[in-house]
Amino acid sequence: QSVVTQPPSVSGAPGQRITISCTGSSSNIGAGYSVHWYQQLPGTAPKLLIFDNTNRASGVPDRFFGAKSGASASLAISGLQAEDEADYYCQSYDSNLSGSVFGGGTKVTVL
Amino acid sequence: QEQPQQWGAGVLKPSETLSLTCAVNGGSFSFSYWSWIRQPPGKGLEWIGEINHGGHTNVLPSLESRLTISVDTSMQHFSLKLNSLTAADTAVYYCAKSLGSSRDAFDMWGQGTVVTVSS
Repeated sequence: QSVVTQPPSVSGAPGQRITISCTGSSSNIGAGYSVHWYQQLPGTAPKLLIFDNTNRASGVPDRFFGAKSGASASLAISGLQAEDEADYYCQSYDSNLSGSVFGGGTKVTVL
Repeated sequence: QEQPQQWGAGVLKPSETLSLTCAVNGGSFSFSYWSWIRQPPGKGLEWIGEINHGGHTNVLPSLESRLTISVDTSMQHFSLKLNSLTAADTAVYYCAKSLGSSRDAFDMWGQGTVVTVSS
């Protein structure tokens, strides 16, 4: 069980906006460590989407938006497209583990 | 910057030792931390350790007694050895480059190596 929590699944219709939450604690996100987001398509390695809470990685469309407040962060996807159907993971640093931690992952389904 | 290339044995028996290597091309080898991250079948990602070109390592406490990460700067390779394997170590293992250290994002990932531990 991860120390950072994500909803197991989120779904939306094409064109809609969805939000994925990432909830941590005072030893990770709440301590001020940055949050990063990844997209993982089936059978492939994760791909960096958002780094340092709000910055889009190179080539990532501006439909993807990262935010952070307190011990939580979120990834919003607007104008949902079929190609966005994937697993999404948040990542931060945990001072108790002295290392990186990932959320449990969220499966996004496009209805 | 090319994708890191990784290799190693994929099928092992319980109690054996897993050995994986990740090769880095390009100039980022000396300026980044490099991590190993694993993903059990159908489950999420787990960071297990990191190393930099100077050999400084940081390992997940729960694996500290079994995991060794090393670096060969002349070959621009870094390696993982995980001993006393059990079925719980079955996973896809990725090497990944950090933008800084394990506090930072991983911007480049290897293709992954499927590791199965079974008698």
